[in-house]
Amino acid sequence: GAVVSQHPSWVICKSGTSVKIECRSLDFQATTMFWYRQFPKKSLMLMATSNEGSKATYEQGVEKDKFLINHASLTLSTLTVTSAHPEDSSFYICSARAGGRGYEQYFGPGTRLTVT
Amino acid sequence: QKEVEQDPGPLSVPEGAIVSLNCTYSNSAFQYFMWYRQYSRKGPELLMYTYSSGNKEDGRFTAQVDKSSKYISLFIRDSQPSDSATYLCAMSPYTGTASKLTFGTGTRLQVTL
Repeated sequence: GAVVSQHPSWVICKSGTSVKIECRSLDFQATTMFWYRQFPKKSLMLMATSNEGSKATYEQGVEKDKFLINHASLTLSTLTVTSAHPEDSSFYICSARAGGRGYEQYFGPGTRLTVT
Repeated sequence: QKEVEQDPGPLSVPEGAIVSLNCTYSNSAFQYFMWYRQYSRKGPELLMYTYSSGNKEDGRFTAQVDKSSKYISLFIRDSQPSDSATYLCAMSPYTGTASKLTFGTGTRLQVTL
């Protein structure tokens, strides 16, 4: 149980285009989902927290107009990187938490974004 | 000073060795402590979680928390090559669905044959 999937696992896009990444909780309802960014050999940096049906809360320094997060259902959250630039190239990881499962966060496998 | 400090390694040990991984932290409000394992280009996988001080054992893994010293440890007994990964500690001051985790930078472990 507690499986989180991400799609796509790897995407290459051209500078200036937008990319959408999906995060799904497959066998539980996720009241809260988190989006992280991870640079090589660095730890996870929390970008935003989203609760189903409400606006995401962004961490300081994260541009909310550039990284659009939607948590439309209890099993799906999306992250859209708008007008992507090479500096947005990174490993993006989502995690999900269900209220009945306490404080545990279950992570997706990550999406590697390369902007050319 | 970072809230959570973790030696990045790499830490190389022979198969069968006991591995000790550690984190220190500065925020005395942290009460929930977790260890995640992350293989290259994969998402983190929860290994252990503990609340407050004390020990917790699960198979070959033992987690220890010493809140008085603000120090947590993960021990791996009889280490295997499949344990080769990056180990991240994480902690939070409270539970609840919106509580955020603060991660260490991760320690890269390599278990050699």
